[in-house]
Amino acid sequence: EPEVTQTPSHQVTQMGQEVILRCVPISNHLYFYWYRQILGQKVEFLVSFYNNEISEKSEIFDDQFSVERPDGSNFTLKIRSTKLEDSAMYFCASRGTSGRAENEQFFGPGTRLTVL
Amino acid sequence: AQKVTQAQTEISVVEKEDVTLDCVYETRDTTYYLFWYKQPPSGELVFLIRRNSFDEQNEISGRYSWNFQKSTSSFNFTITASQVVDSAVYFCALSEERLRAAGNKLTFGGGTRVLVKP
Repeated sequence: EPEVTQTPSHQVTQMGQEVILRCVPISNHLYFYWYRQILGQKVEFLVSFYNNEISEKSEIFDDQFSVERPDGSNFTLKIRSTKLEDSAMYFCASRGTSGRAENEQFFGPGTRLTVL
Repeated sequence: AQKVTQAQTEISVVEKEDVTLDCVYETRDTTYYLFWYKQPPSGELVFLIRRNSFDEQNEISGRYSWNFQKSTSSFNFTITASQVVDSAVYFCALSEERLRAAGNKLTFGGGTRVLVKP
């Protein structure tokens, strides 16, 4: 069964550094998402992406964050200058347009980001 | 604005007991989707069920069952005869129907940690 993949599984970085989290969505999906989960807390929506542009973003998704679909297969989340409070698990998800995939988001395994 | 509330933060049971997780939601839309996800200690989100707002039939899948009541805006989840492997955090989530371009984000509840003791 096709699945969403994310790399790396764990990233450790110094405060102020830029990080790029990578996701490969399911190949025929058209909607892409990033969510964040701070340790012990709920999963929070960051941004959705459709037709090569952001369709919705949350208050968390400020100017430090950006998303890109650089080559038609990868979907990336960049944090320009990381802060301690960016430490969290970041989940990528994708959604299709027909059948089961039309209304269900398929989640990747997550990238755990640790900012020191 | 949409909101999901899971009032129980943690539930502890002994193996073979039944456990019911509560989920209450708020939305202004008439068309929406409700979900349950399981997050085991390994951290991934495991999809359990999706229910659309027009389908109020209760569903059973093995030891899992779901009770959707639109009148009380609730979508509760019961694990029958719990097992140690059921120990995890369970999240209820809501997605509102939107035009294609808008994304249909998921709004999650705070989660309920279930601990099943042998």
